[in-house]
Parts: sequence; C-alpha cells; structure tokens
Amino acid sequence: GAVVSQHPSRVICKSGTSVKIECRSLDFQATTMFWYRQFPKQSLMLMATSNEGSKATYEQGVEKDKFLINHASLTLSTLTVTSAHPEDSSFYICSARDPRTGSGNTIYFGEGSWLTVV
Amino acid sequence: SQELEQSPQSLIVQEGKNLTINCTSSKTLYGLYWYKQKYGEGLIFLMMLQKGGEEKSHEKITAKLDEKKQQSSLHITASQPSHAGIYLCGADNAGNTGKLIFGQGTTLQVKP
Repeated sequence: GAVVSQHPSRVICKSGTSVKIECRSLDFQATTMFWYRQFPKQSLMLMATSNEGSKATYEQGVEKDKFLINHASLTLSTLTVTSAHPEDSSFYICSARDPRTGSGNTIYFGEGSWLTVV
Repeated sequence: SQELEQSPQSLIVQEGKNLTINCTSSKTLYGLYWYKQKYGEGLIFLMMLQKGGEEKSHEKITAKLDEKKQQSSLHITASQPSHAGIYLCGADNAGNTGKLIFGQGTTLQVKP
C-alpha cells in the first residue's frame, strides 16, 4: 500500500482564495519532504524542499510567498497555494525518502493533487 | 546543472515484445531512480541503482546502470498491457539529498 499519502486528490478553488494540500508519510518519519509540480504532458519540476522544524528551501523561480510550505511534524508537510490564480492550476505531488531503506533511501511519491483554479 | 535525457519519448509495442528505455545523464549519477506513472496519478517506485554496473530486476522489468554511472536502461521483457504508462528516470541532483531531477519521460503503449 501507499507509504506517502496526499490529500485532497482533487480540489477546485476560486481565483484569489488559498488552498492547502497535505502530504503524509504513513509508515516512517521524514525530516525532509519534497514538493513537485507537473504540467500536462510534462515531467516533474521540483518546487521546494520541506524541512521539519525549519524553513523550506525553494528552487530558483518558485515564489515562496505564493507557495507556503509548513513541515509541522515528522510525518506531515503542507503546501498552501495562496491567492490562487488560474495559472496555478496544475498537478502537485510530494515525495519523501524512507530512512528504513538504508543508504539507498528509497524515495516514495504521493498520489498527487490536482488543483483547478476557476 | 545535471540534465537527464530519456529516449525514446514514446513507444508503441505489440504485446509480448521486449523493449528498452534509456536514460542518459550529463553528469555522473549518484543515484538513479526509475518510476512508472499513469497520467495524472502518483509515481510508482520501480527500482533504484547506485553502483556502476549494477543491475536489478523486478518481475519482468530489469534496470541497469553503466560502469561510468552516466547511463541507465530499463528493459521490459514480454510486455503486457499492464506495462503501459509513463516511465520516468530521476537522479539525485546533489548526492543523496532526496531531491530528484527527472527526464522528460517515456510514454509506453502496449497493443493487445
């Protein structure tokens, strides 16, 4: 079964509102989680690294004030898209590295969340 | 920065045929991950390769990493419709950080 879970799987929000997406590691603790964005028919683009107990690290070109990341516990990271606009509509997906897999550190991904801003 | 190039971009094969997908890196790979994705869904972990010359298999899928650790191949034997999807290779960009950069993906269709 899934070891990384996201919620909601689909969300529709009105332009100008904020929406929160959750990413949970189910069987292990993750001090670090990662958020990606995937445009239609394209590959994944890393947005930011979520760090438990400290600020997230954002990739170049990603607006930290628009995409707020909070890593409140060792099993939960949240991505909040603030003041959403239609161009923020996308597939957002998180990942976490399973420390139980040793030096290989298998990286698992969530199911993804479809955001549609209308 | 590191770039990953996958080939082919898309592939249509007849059920029962073998196929290979390649992933080439512009830099030495620390860790190379293979995932399968159905469009609009999450990524399913297939295999992770770390050592030069390493080869791993799971059911009918075999992945190899070359000795120089700059190229990986994913081979599917006797393909089935269930193998259809998007195959993505990902590389740990800075050495075991967990941050992955991805190739552009290979879309596989298997005709019954």
